[in-house]
Amino acid sequence: EAGVVQSPRYKIIEKKQPVAFWCNPISGHNTLYWYLQNLGQGPELLIRYENEEAVDDSQLPKDRFSAERLKGVDSTLKIQPAELGDSAVYLCASSLDTGYPYEQYFGPGTRLTVT
Amino acid sequence: KNQVEQSPQSLIILEGKNCTLQCNYTVSPFSNLRWYKQDTGRGPVSLTIMTFSENTKSNGRYTATLDADTKQSSLHITASQLSDSASYICVVSARGAGSYQLTFGKGTKLSVIP
Repeated sequence: EAGVVQSPRYKIIEKKQPVAFWCNPISGHNTLYWYLQNLGQGPELLIRYENEEAVDDSQLPKDRFSAERLKGVDSTLKIQPAELGDSAVYLCASSLDTGYPYEQYFGPGTRLTVT
Repeated sequence: KNQVEQSPQSLIILEGKNCTLQCNYTVSPFSNLRWYKQDTGRGPVSLTIMTFSENTKSNGRYTATLDADTKQSSLHITASQLSDSASYICVVSARGAGSYQLTFGKGTKLSVIP
């Protein structure tokens, strides 16, 4: 079974430029998460989708960040414009919420460097 | 505010030795506690998940314990191997109305040296 796929794995951009990350969850998983992880820190939730619906986006900086999951499968996270402080690893995870305790499976992440 | 504190922040041990990582939490209402292993440059991988009624769970050389009364958990690694070098993250899930919220610790960085 394929795991969570993310691309690109690495991205270097200049500040004020836009950037997008893509995530394909494990087949059949209805819930998808985007996390931000700074160096030496634990992941922080940005947004959680249940199928196509964003059910928790309270931590998403909506002035520059946006996300979509149009068909309830893969998802895109966008930053426009990027700032130096956005340099971090962006993790995507998915889970099948039909059986407690809803195990989350993480992708390898996209490491963003803003210069 | 829900919080998860892990200690130590980093740890260096010799190959073959045992070690124990600690996790204290103030998360309410408690649902479950998870330990993840995160290799450098990779996403976290689940090691164990423990619900309120479980006080120990093993996964190979990894054994997690949970004391829900004192809100503490530990992860014991037996006979460490070089491949155990990674960050270990404690994650606590809180029940909510029709949903749940995960609170992540900052992790303990373990280095196993020959």
